[in-house]
Amino acid sequence: GAGVSQTPSNKVTEKGKYVELRCDPISGHTALYWYRQSLGQGPEFLIYFQGTGAADDSGLPNDRFFAVRPEGSVSTLKIQRTERGDSAVYLCASSQDGNYGYTFGSGTRLTVV
Amino acid sequence: KNEVEQSPQNLTAQEGEFITINCSYSVGISALHWLQQHPGGGIVSLFMLSSGKKKHGRLIATINIQEKHSSLHITASHPRDSAVYICAVGSQGNLIFGKGTKLSVKP
Repeated sequence: GAGVSQTPSNKVTEKGKYVELRCDPISGHTALYWYRQSLGQGPEFLIYFQGTGAADDSGLPNDRFFAVRPEGSVSTLKIQRTERGDSAVYLCASSQDGNYGYTFGSGTRLTVV
Repeated sequence: KNEVEQSPQNLTAQEGEFITINCSYSVGISALHWLQQHPGGGIVSLFMLSSGKKKHGRLIATINIQEKHSSLHITASHPRDSAVYICAVGSQGNLIFGKGTKLSVKP
């Protein structure tokens, strides 16, 4: 597609459940980024992929969070044992090689009840 | 002190006015981003700059690396410019975001 696609757009899950959030970047973009935006706050960095590898995962808050990008295109952010504090909009962005402007997806709004 | 400070937090302007939003940062960076976020909407990247000035339509972004300061200017503002404008700094995707400036342009 022409833009960065994130699915689902909304996800409601029960505390303790496992969730997967998907990001489909612009074709050919080697750099992919995940951010999290809590209500009323600016986004926070989670992880950055260059190709298939995680170049920087220093923003992942704890070991319940994990992300993969096995073929260097689609990425999945995985959250285990979800907690209410995980509720936020999860944003994905991609860039041609990290040196150009980023294109953001519309985000996945995760609500943990 | 936040590493990225934006001012003002809220800004109301009349259509046609010239608008300036400021961003100061305290960390070393390789690039600074200006982003636009509409209510309930996604984020649009406006500029990515590491020096000097960039212009796109009615939008102008400047950065002073020595002073660690950037400004976003909107000329001839329009109600459709109403949004939250976010400054983000860092390198290679590990960005630190400001809290945003909420702009409302009245007709």
